[in-house]
Amino acid sequence: ETGVTQTPRHLVMGMTNKKSLKCEQHLGHNAMYWYKQSAKKPLELMFVYNFKEQTENNSVPSRFSPECPNSSHLFLHLHTLQPEDSALYLCASSQDWSLAFGELFFGEGSRLTVL
Amino acid sequence: KNEVEQSPQNLTAQEGEFITINCSYSVGISALHWLQQHPGGGIVSLFMLSSGKKKHGRLIATINIQEKHSSLHITASHPRDSAVYICAAVSPDKLIFGTGTRLQVFP
Repeated sequence: ETGVTQTPRHLVMGMTNKKSLKCEQHLGHNAMYWYKQSAKKPLELMFVYNFKEQTENNSVPSRFSPECPNSSHLFLHLHTLQPEDSALYLCASSQDWSLAFGELFFGEGSRLTVL
Repeated sequence: KNEVEQSPQNLTAQEGEFITINCSYSVGISALHWLQQHPGGGIVSLFMLSSGKKKHGRLIATINIQEKHSSLHITASHPRDSAVYICAAVSPDKLIFGTGTRLQVFP
């Protein structure tokens, strides 16, 4: 139990569906992240929010749309995805944006399969 | 070639063995994280270090900034240590991840 909760843990969706992934942390952290993990590849940073403001969008396709309504919640809205988007999506949080001064806390991940 | 390389990619061991996982990086860093990912997918932070050595239980992490190299050691390995171990370099305010080392410890 890391204090970061992701739902759902598993999601299967068709290419025309719209779904959302949710992440919640009650650690009092100010920075939240979405990462994508595909087989045999390093974790890829997708989005960063610091104090609810998006500070990084790592050239992610617009079919992925993040939302951070407050510093405890982070969403990833999904629409018209492609089969190659199937992956494990991990949410993480840290005390602040400067990763040299604090550890990352990850959720359990949401495994997404796009048919 | 990745900026952060780990070796070996896969590692099997018998319970009780001493384990070493290596991480080399080619960029300037301010810190390095070691992470553990369990089969279910969840990732736990093990260490964050910027110099020297840190120890927590049976786990030891070292870093040599001049040689751009870090190691994670597990003493008296146990089947519950079976996981993927990932190093991630902080350079300068982004994390560059290695591809991970998959460790299996057999009884």
